[in-house]
Amino acid sequence: DQQVKQNSPSLSVQEGRISILNCDYTNSMFDYFLWYKKYPAEGPTFLISISSIKDKNEDGRFTVFLNKSAKHLSLHIVPSQPGDSAVYFCAASAFTDMRFGAGTRLTVKP
Amino acid sequence: DGGITQSPKYLFRKEGQNVTLSCEQNLNHDAMYWYRQDPGQGLRLIYYSQIVNDFQKGDIAEGYSVSREKKESFPLTVTSAQKNPTAFYLCASSQGLGVRETQYFGPGTRLLVL
Repeated sequence: DQQVKQNSPSLSVQEGRISILNCDYTNSMFDYFLWYKKYPAEGPTFLISISSIKDKNEDGRFTVFLNKSAKHLSLHIVPSQPGDSAVYFCAASAFTDMRFGAGTRLTVKP
Repeated sequence: DGGITQSPKYLFRKEGQNVTLSCEQNLNHDAMYWYRQDPGQGLRLIYYSQIVNDFQKGDIAEGYSVSREKKESFPLTVTSAQKNPTAFYLCASSQGLGVRETQYFGPGTRLLVL
């Protein structure tokens, strides 16, 4: 029972363009959402988070949008850079329960 | 240079054998976690520990065991009872237990069955 889904296993964008990574969840109890980034041979690292009381959180080139009614969140990277090429995991949480998506592999082409 | 180390990077298990995956952190974190990742799936929680000498089962604890005798160490044993152990295993830690606590991950151990 996957409560958090990232339906696009991979995404390829051109350097300088916008990257949009999507994530859907099913449990309406989730109230805190995170994005992690993973390079090959390394563990995931925290990127950005958002609480359910907000609909947007921005940190430099990274912005996370939350649409609670649609149970959907997205990560926007603008402008995309080759160093952003990695696997991105979204996670949703409630209380002490955290669920991860399967990840989306982003490739930014020079 | 603080962080989480996992060893080995690759581990091979024979049928009926127990194997232990190492996880060490020098971040002085209280909480530690073990996750399993399979192709096309998200990370799934195996066990977590909030404090030394205490640990709790996650969603897929069957066939696994852990110990937390020291704050910095949280080894995971994959027992022979785990019928499908081939996966990528990630260890993580956080300052406290709570979903708003950022988790820091190790590089992972890939377990393969011979």
